[in-house]
Amino acid sequence: KAGVTQTPRYLIKTRGQQVTLSCSPISGHRSVSWYQQTPGQGLQFLFEYFSETQRNKGNFPGRFSGRQFSNSRSEMNVSTLELGDSALYLCASSTTGINDEQFFGPGTRLTVL
Amino acid sequence: AQSVTQLGSHVSVSEGALVLLRCNYSSSVPPYLFWYVQYPNQGLQLLLKYTSAATLVKGINGFEAEFKKSETSFHLTKPSAHMSDAAEYFCAVQMTSNTGKLIFGQGTTLQVKP
Repeated sequence: KAGVTQTPRYLIKTRGQQVTLSCSPISGHRSVSWYQQTPGQGLQFLFEYFSETQRNKGNFPGRFSGRQFSNSRSEMNVSTLELGDSALYLCASSTTGINDEQFFGPGTRLTVL
Repeated sequence: AQSVTQLGSHVSVSEGALVLLRCNYSSSVPPYLFWYVQYPNQGLQLLLKYTSAATLVKGINGFEAEFKKSETSFHLTKPSAHMSDAAEYFCAVQMTSNTGKLIFGQGTTLQVKP
């Protein structure tokens, strides 16, 4: 079974730009969660999608948004990039999103200059 | 709000020595608990999870963890460290009501000396 894939793996943007990251979950998984990982803040939950609906969200500004498609693939978008958005963005998929194992992708390393 | 505390951001052991990584959670209701490992430039891999079936949980690569409700702890152990165990380890919790959301500790970097 193929794992969680994320594209692109690396991205360099400048302040004020916007960016879209993509995540393809494991086949059959309907829940996709997104996390931001930084040295200072650690791993923080952004949001979770299930059956094309945002079911849960963390404490991030509205510049961070996402969506999920009918095939469970998910995208997250960050608008008006700030230097502080530089981070590793991890996507994780699971069967239900409720107390089951989350399988993580390799992440997208975003650098904002 | 739930939180997870990992005592010690860096732990160093000799190869063959016992590995002990500490994790405490704050929750009045026992959550679901997980330990993940992250190697450089990779995502997270699940080592083991506690789901209330048994207090001693065995995971991959010889790791195990014991859930102690009275101490709100879920420490990770391995009897004998191997060089390949050098990585960053994260303890995480999930509450049933918080779908898709793992709350992570700050992580512990394990160094294994030859």
